[in-house]
Amino acid sequence: GQNIDQPTEMTATEGAIVQINCTYQTSGFNGLFWYQQHAGEAPTFLSYNVLDGLEEKGRFSSFLSRSKGYSYLLLKELQMKDSASYLCAVRAWLGGSQGNLIFGKGTKLSVKP
Amino acid sequence: NAGVTQTPKFRVLKTGQSMTLLCAQDMNHEYMYWYRQDPGMGLRLIHYSVGEGTTAKGEVPDGYNVSRLKKQNFLLGLESAAPSQTSVYFCASSSTGHEKLFFGSGTQLSVL
Repeated sequence: GQNIDQPTEMTATEGAIVQINCTYQTSGFNGLFWYQQHAGEAPTFLSYNVLDGLEEKGRFSSFLSRSKGYSYLLLKELQMKDSASYLCAVRAWLGGSQGNLIFGKGTKLSVKP
Repeated sequence: NAGVTQTPKFRVLKTGQSMTLLCAQDMNHEYMYWYRQDPGMGLRLIHYSVGEGTTAKGEVPDGYNVSRLKKQNFLLGLESAAPSQTSVYFCASSSTGHEKLFFGSGTQLSVL
């Protein structure tokens, strides 16, 4: 079966660095995505990892270790607007020819002044 | 540049009523998806389509039907709504099965 775990909630201070972890167990792994979702809004794409290592994009970085079934999202220089839920999603095979995204339950990040 | 548009944004149904949610995308994407999002459950895939005229079941397809008669549109139908279908529904699209998803703004559905 498929399983994705990430912390339910985290709190951090404005200007600080926060790391949101995601562990997964799945068959037919074919990539890991991070999405940001502000309350009442649609998820928006942040990052994609398919090979091991770190992908950096401005203040956000994402890391993947396929052998450990582990990823993290690193947010630097936190701003109040970063308060949102962060969704880890793994592309996995549900059967047939199509790999679909399986989402974790999301981590709600609160940034305090 | 509309992207993915969902209608309606809000709807209240009585148990047993039927309705159709419409999703339209203007990015010429082949792949389209319907997800539901419930508190503490995350996004769960209901049905998806890999091209015009095709549909397939996702994780939680029971009680829903879909159609993809035109490439730009993906319809989600509830034939006989149940309170368990109270949720926020998101449509999404992607150019291929390996690319990032673009989401619509969501539909808040309440079934009483």
